Amino acid sequence: EAGVAQSPRYKIIEKRQSVAFWCNPISGHATLYWYQQILGQGPKLLIQFQNNGVVDDSQLPKDRFSAERLKGVDSTLKIQPAKLEDSAVYLCASSLDPTRRVFFGSGTQLSVL
Amino acid sequence: QQQVKQSPQSLIVQKGGISIINCAYENTAFDYFPWYQQFPGKGPALLIAIRPDVSEKKEGRFTISFNKSAKQFSLHIMDSQPGDSATYFCAASTGSNYKLTFGKGTLLTVNP
Repeated sequence: EAGVAQSPRYKIIEKRQSVAFWCNPISGHATLYWYQQILGQGPKLLIQFQNNGVVDDSQLPKDRFSAERLKGVDSTLKIQPAKLEDSAVYLCASSLDPTRRVFFGSGTQLSVL
Repeated sequence: QQQVKQSPQSLIVQKGGISIINCAYENTAFDYFPWYQQFPGKGPALLIAIRPDVSEKKEGRFTISFNKSAKQFSLHIMDSQPGDSATYFCAASTGSNYKLTFGKGTLLTVNP
């Protein structure tokens, strides 16, 4: 079974630039998550989708971060404009539904200079 | 507010030894307590999980001990192996939103 796919693997940008990350969840998984993992910390949930609807975006900095999940499958997370403190690994995860096991992708490592 | 506190931050164990990582939580509504293992360059992977209706769960060399009254739970890795070297995260969630709250992680190094 294919896992959660993410791209790019690494991204280096300058502050105030924009960046986008892509995620393809495990086939059939209705629930999709984006987490931010800052070095030395545990993952923090940014946004949770159920199919193509947002369930929880309470910790998403909406002035600069946006996410969408078109057709309830792939998802993109965008940061515009980026700040130095956005340097982190952005993890996408999916599950059959919110009550089931969560599978994580390998993440996109973002460095903002 | 850090809802799940994890210790130690790092741990070095000899091969064959026992690794113990502890977590404490504040929110009494938490009812699901998983442990995740993360290797460098990879995402976290579920290792073992427990619900508060039992005090212990064992899967192979990995055991979770749960103390509901103390609001603490711990991961024990028996016969630790170099391949167990990774970062371990405890987490917790409630049955209302299943939102995972993670600890800050423990970097485990098992020396051969």
